[in-house]
Amino acid sequence: DQQVKQNSPSLSVQEGRISILNCDYTNSMFDYFLWYKKYPAEGPTFLISISSIKDKNEDGRFTVFLNKSAKHLSLHIVPSQPGDSAVYFCAASARVRGGSNYKLTFGKGTLLTVNP
Amino acid sequence: GAGVSQSPRYKVAKRGQDVALRCDPISGHVSLFWYQQALGQGPEFLTYFQNEAQLDKSGLPSDRFFAERPEGSVSTLKIQRTQQEDSAVYLCASSSRGLTAYNEQFFGPGTRLTVL
Repeated sequence: DQQVKQNSPSLSVQEGRISILNCDYTNSMFDYFLWYKKYPAEGPTFLISISSIKDKNEDGRFTVFLNKSAKHLSLHIVPSQPGDSAVYFCAASARVRGGSNYKLTFGKGTLLTVNP
Repeated sequence: GAGVSQSPRYKVAKRGQDVALRCDPISGHVSLFWYQQALGQGPEFLTYFQNEAQLDKSGLPSDRFFAERPEGSVSTLKIQRTQQEDSAVYLCASSSRGLTAYNEQFFGPGTRLTVL
């Protein structure tokens, strides 16, 4: 049972346009969400995160939106650049009893291709 | 180096062999995680260390998997009697805090294990 779902295996956009990557989750205990970017033969690299008490977080060209009632988050990249081409993973974390949230649950990833 | 390093980067094993995968976290990082990423999937949590203490090993798929971090820095993931379904990329991540607050996990490049 996948608790974090990225339903689009791939996405292709033109350079300069907006890229929107989507993610849905089922576990209402998740309270911290992250996006990681991964190039081939490298480990995932942290991109941006959002706490469940917020609905938007922005960092330069990257914005993450969270809709808690719909259990949905999205990553917007504006403007998209060819160097953004990579696999993007959505991840979620839940607070554990007696401790803090630390364990990440990942989606399957979306391959973004930005065409020049 | 400044990042998380893992060795070997690639490992081919015959079914039934034992393997040992090494992770060197970022110096001073308290928390260390192991994840398994099968082809076409997102990383899946295996186990977590805070310093030398293994606080969560709920993700280890069988008793053939064993992890240790005896001095609270370098960690080794050992897989005994490897099976073909163990073929995956094994990712190590570290973060600077323990169970007090969530913060970013830094990933290594992974070890790609192929079991023939």
